[in-house]
Amino acid sequence: NAGVTQTPKFQVLKTGQSMTLQCAQDMNHNSMYWYRQDPGMGLRLIYYSASEGTTDKGEVPNGYNVSRLNKREFSLRLESAAPSQTSVYFCASSERQISGNTIYFGEGSWLTVV
Amino acid sequence: GNSVTQMEGPVTLSEEAFLTINCTYTATGYPSLFWYVQYPGEGLQLLLKATKADDKGSNKGFEATYRKETTSFHLEKGSVQVSDSAVYFCALPTSGTYKYIFGTGTRLKVLA
Repeated sequence: NAGVTQTPKFQVLKTGQSMTLQCAQDMNHNSMYWYRQDPGMGLRLIYYSASEGTTDKGEVPNGYNVSRLNKREFSLRLESAAPSQTSVYFCASSERQISGNTIYFGEGSWLTVV
Repeated sequence: GNSVTQMEGPVTLSEEAFLTINCTYTATGYPSLFWYVQYPGEGLQLLLKATKADDKGSNKGFEATYRKETTSFHLEKGSVQVSDSAVYFCALPTSGTYKYIFGTGTRLKVLA
């Protein structure tokens, strides 16, 4: 009963380092998302993938890249980390990008850039 | 485009008190509306939803009614418990793209 699984849960990076956040879902969902959560800002969409083979920018894509590796997996890459990217990152998925579909979230990845 | 505004927190209540967390929205048409809850150290999980105007969503004693006249989807619970302490998010799809947008979250703290 895993749902959405993301790794790592905690990471500390130095400015300029790169890293990839991994996400996998076992619900056979078509759509997947990456959000970041910052105090007072709620959740902001970084990138999403409506279906396997497609990706699109969300509200705050700068400094990030994504890969929809297959239907299950959707990774988020920080090429050159900056302190402004210190945040909690959530991967999510839904059956389709249709109004009324529930989004299911992973447990979050706490990233600190020093 | 669509947007959602929810009340600022934190909200601090005593156990068994009545809870209201306000959420208002701006939308094209009548999209589905959602409340998600985030417990400490966890991701968001669906609390309840309503898919059309005048629908009432309910779960775990929480209720919210989709009111198109007032463009609101306020979350209510008659008697809160300490275990309800969490952050609550109102959400709806964006117009045209079906990406979801979330409110800024309202932190609820319930004291024994």
